[in-house]
Amino acid sequence: QVQLVQSGSEVKKPGASVKVSCKASGYTFTSYDINWVRQDTGQGLEWMGWMNPNTGATGYAQKFQGRVTMTRDTSISTAYMELTSLRSEDTAVYYCARGPPYSAYSNNGYSHYVMDVWGQGSTVTVSS
Amino acid sequence: EIVLTQSPGTLSFSPGERATLSCRASQSVDSRYLGWYQQKPGQAPRLLIYGTSTRATGIPDRFSGSGSGTDFSLTISRLEPADFAVYYCQQFGSSRLSFGGGTKVEIK
Repeated sequence: QVQLVQSGSEVKKPGASVKVSCKASGYTFTSYDINWVRQDTGQGLEWMGWMNPNTGATGYAQKFQGRVTMTRDTSISTAYMELTSLRSEDTAVYYCARGPPYSAYSNNGYSHYVMDVWGQGSTVTVSS
Repeated sequence: EIVLTQSPGTLSFSPGERATLSCRASQSVDSRYLGWYQQKPGQAPRLLIYGTSTRATGIPDRFSGSGSGTDFSLTISRLEPADFAVYYCQQFGSSRLSFGGGTKVEIK
């Protein structure tokens, strides 16, 4: 079945970097965007950015510009999100999520843009 | 950046009641790009609605979405025990995406 499986929990010190992986299966990895969303404990959802696994193109939320990098390895259908210069406020659950298929894109843009398949989440704790 | 506001933050209902959740945008949202998610504790969000009013695969018809411009809503016609959760709206525009702060639907 279609699924995204993420890497496990991480504990990092302030100033360090973390790289979370997201392995896709059950569909063509290069045919859908991968988005990254994080959620602080008991808080709402915060979008971090998107990546086109086919071209490697990315778009980041302004808040994370300069600190986040989204990459992929198409040979193993895996997307990565690296966040640098970690601080305590980055402690959260990080999710990868699949965007719409590129077949939904036309001259008028996408027919819709939501995330229909989500990973299980990866907990990142930043603590000294 | 488009800001989505969901208020109130918590709504209380009894099972069987009708619930209508609000999502207001700081500027007009293309109706193609408005969606809704449900999230339960310890779980990833689940897609309910896309394109303002289209139910995602497997979503029961007691869930419906409507709206246009800056005002959108999600209606649950008859609340079942499994529907008590947090609901988020989401928009996409200019290759950027944002979520509302969420509305918790709790049992009265």
